[in-house]
Amino acid sequence: AQSVTQPDIHITVSEGASLELRCNYSYGATPYLFWYVQSPGQGLQLLLKYFSGDTLVQGIKGFEAEFKRSQSSFNLRKPSVHWSDAAEYFCAVGAWGGGADGLTFGKGTHLIIQP
Amino acid sequence: DTGVSQDPRHKITKRGQNVTFRCDPISEHNRLYWYRQTLGQGPEFLTYFQNEAQLEKSRLLSDRFSAERPKGSFSTLEIQRTEQGDSAMYLCASSRGGATNYGYTFGSGTRLTVV
Repeated sequence: AQSVTQPDIHITVSEGASLELRCNYSYGATPYLFWYVQSPGQGLQLLLKYFSGDTLVQGIKGFEAEFKRSQSSFNLRKPSVHWSDAAEYFCAVGAWGGGADGLTFGKGTHLIIQP
Repeated sequence: DTGVSQDPRHKITKRGQNVTFRCDPISEHNRLYWYRQTLGQGPEFLTYFQNEAQLEKSRLLSDRFSAERPKGSFSTLEIQRTEQGDSAMYLCASSRGGATNYGYTFGSGTRLTVV
């Protein structure tokens, strides 16, 4: 079965600084990988996804993520964060085949932006 | 495209009561998913439908839980004889085709509190 680890429960970053959120996955085949963001009391919004091809994926709101098969990682990055980026970020891996169509999410990383 | 709608946004119920939640997916999306999210955790997959057929159920979906999507449009999730452990955010998502290909669009969720 697949699993996702987000090692950092909380991260604090100064506004304007760069950001990297870590995600490690475990899956026996080629992974389908996603990053979602959740603002307080809201549902989840898809930031970006990786299926195949270029290992550097561009998403919305200036985010990007890099798939590294050798490290089983899919870290999310942003060169300069804004106060509005404060939220909960979830990495997820998708199952494939056998009728399974659920995503397995990590526990999330809470991003705090300080002025 | 009005997004995924969930009703109600909040529900407080007494232990032992039955509750029902509704989800209206994006109209052209044929797949509909239910997830549960407890405090400090990522969403956990419960079940999904392709049109009106329920194709997969997680082991988290006990006998007290039932989900329907009678006409392949909206879906309901019923919890019978609620327990305090059922307190969580219940998220609905929809997808055009498989989530592993397209990712989900999530609703804002129904927050259930069992007292």
